[in-house]
Amino acid sequence: DQQVKQNSPSLSVQEGRISILNCDYTNSMFDYFLWYKKYPAEGPTFLISISSIKDKNEDGRFTVFLNKSAKHLSLHIVPSQPGDSAVYFCAAGSYGTASKLTFGTGTRLQVTL
Amino acid sequence: NAGVTQTPKFQVLKTGQSMTLQCAQDMNHNSMYWYRQDPGMGLRLIYYSASEGTTDKGEVPNGYNVSRLNKREFSLRLESAAPSQTSVYFCASSEVQGSSPLHFGNGTRLTVT
Repeated sequence: DQQVKQNSPSLSVQEGRISILNCDYTNSMFDYFLWYKKYPAEGPTFLISISSIKDKNEDGRFTVFLNKSAKHLSLHIVPSQPGDSAVYFCAAGSYGTASKLTFGTGTRLQVTL
Repeated sequence: NAGVTQTPKFQVLKTGQSMTLQCAQDMNHNSMYWYRQDPGMGLRLIYYSASEGTTDKGEVPNGYNVSRLNKREFSLRLESAAPSQTSVYFCASSEVQGSSPLHFGNGTRLTVT
């Protein structure tokens, strides 16, 4: 049972445009959400997070939006750059408890020139 | 500042052989984790250690054992490797379990023939 779903395995966006990566979750106990970025042959690196008390969190070119009623979050990258080409994982968990993060299957973003 | 260091980077085992994957972090983090990544499956938690002296099972613990040797080091042992354990293994650490982002190592690619 996939509790965190990334339904788009891949996405191609032109440089300078907006990239929107989507993630859905089913467990209503999740209240802490993160996005990780992964380059080939490297480990995932933390990008941005959001807790359920917010519906938006921004960090430079990266913004995460959370829609709790729809159990949906999205990552917006504006403007997209070639260096953003990577696999993006969303993850969810319960903030501050002894539970563990559940990861989605990832979306491969390619930013073209 | 190395972060999370995993050894080895690559390993090929025959079915039934044993090996230990090593992981060390230099960020003085309390919690450490072992994940495996398989195509189409995202990252799945094998074992975690919320603090020195404690370990707990994750989502897919069968066939593995762990040791939290000290605050810095967390090893993963395969006692009798099986082809189903062919995967990329990631070690991660976090300051506090459940409320701070994970920092990942660069992974160990394991093939069991």
